[in-house]
Order: sequence, then structure tokens, then C-alpha cells
Amino acid sequence: KQEVTQIPAALSVPEGENLVLNCSFTDSAIYNLQWFRQDPGKGLTSLLLIQSSQREQTSGRLNASLDKSSGRSTLYIAASQPGDSATYLCAVYTGNQFYFGTGTSLTVIP
Amino acid sequence: DAGITQSPRHKVTETGTPVTLRCHQTENHRYMYWYRQDPGHGLRLIHYSYGVKDTDKGEVSDGYSVSRSKTEDFLLTLESATSSQTSVYFCAISESAGDTEAFFGQGTRLTVV
Repeated sequence: KQEVTQIPAALSVPEGENLVLNCSFTDSAIYNLQWFRQDPGKGLTSLLLIQSSQREQTSGRLNASLDKSSGRSTLYIAASQPGDSATYLCAVYTGNQFYFGTGTSLTVIP
Repeated sequence: DAGITQSPRHKVTETGTPVTLRCHQTENHRYMYWYRQDPGHGLRLIHYSYGVKDTDKGEVSDGYSVSRSKTEDFLLTLESATSSQTSVYFCAISESAGDTEAFFGQGTRLTVV
């Protein structure tokens, strides 16, 4: 069974700092990996989708990388802002479902 | 935002009663999923559908059933609600399996007392 782990579970940084969130998965046979953002009491918002054949994707201040062979992905957030405060979830798709990590709770301090 | 509507958004129900949650999409996506989110467990798949009348079980399907009679609607039924089914339930959709983004609804917070 696919296991997805996100480290750290919580992170607090001052505004303006660049930061990296980590995601690891145990089975490299994935179709894609997706990063989501979840605000308290809200649904999940898709941030970036990386296909299994891709190495990275970028959207604005966000950059996600994928190393399928080692079972790792990172989400890089540049010049963090208080509005980035949320829980970030990664999910891998294996052919019939997504497997989720438990998330990294990010707080950006003004 | 993808057109996904979950109803109700909040519900309190008593142990032993049946409960049905509805997910409605306007995107005409083929795949629909029901997940539950619990502290310490993340999101776990309950059931999914890959077309009208085509459904399959996820890892936590016991005590739940689903139906999909139209492309746009995916219903989740708790046959006899238990306190362990208190959770936040999310519906998700994707256009195809594996190569497209998944989009999530806003969630239904269910409390079983």
C-alpha cells in the first residue's frame, strides 16, 4: 500500500523567507503527484500537478519538483507572505485513487 | 473554481440513522471520489466512480455505499451512522484517471451523536 509522508508537520517562518516543503512516497509506480492547499474549514485547492514523466512544475512563486525513482517531491515557496499560511498537502495518484500525506501546516509571520 | 457542490455542508445526526451526502458537478468529469478527512489520518478514499453506475470501493468503505445514476451526481450513504463516522467528507472529481488535476468540493462536516 502506498504511504505518503510529509515533513515537517508544522513550520513557522518570517515573511519574505523562501521555504521548502517535503513529500515522500513509498511506491514509485505513480501516474502523477499533486500539491494542494487547504485553509481552515475549507476544501482543497489544487496548486500544482506534476505528471510522472515530468521533473518540475512552476506557478508564480511556487515550484514543485518530482524525483519518482527516489519517491520524493518538494514544494518550494519563494518570498513567503502571510497569505500563504495554510496546510499544504501532497497526493500521489496510482491508477484508481489519490493517496494523501497528512500535510504541513505553514504559518508565515508578518 | 471547478463546479463542485456538496450538500449539506453541515449535518448532525443520531447514531443508527441513515444519512445521504450529495456531490454535484457541472464539469462533466468522468471520475468522482468520496474521501473522509480525520486528524492524524489525512484524507482516505471511501468509494470512487469511473462512470455512470460504475463504482468501486476504497480503503475505508465499510459502512458506506454509493450511487451514481447521472454523470453529475455522486451520492454517499451511511447506512446506519456510527460515532466513528463523524468526520469531514470531501468529494473530488477528475476528467480522467491519472493525467489530469483533481478538484475538490468544500466538504461536508458530519457529526454523529
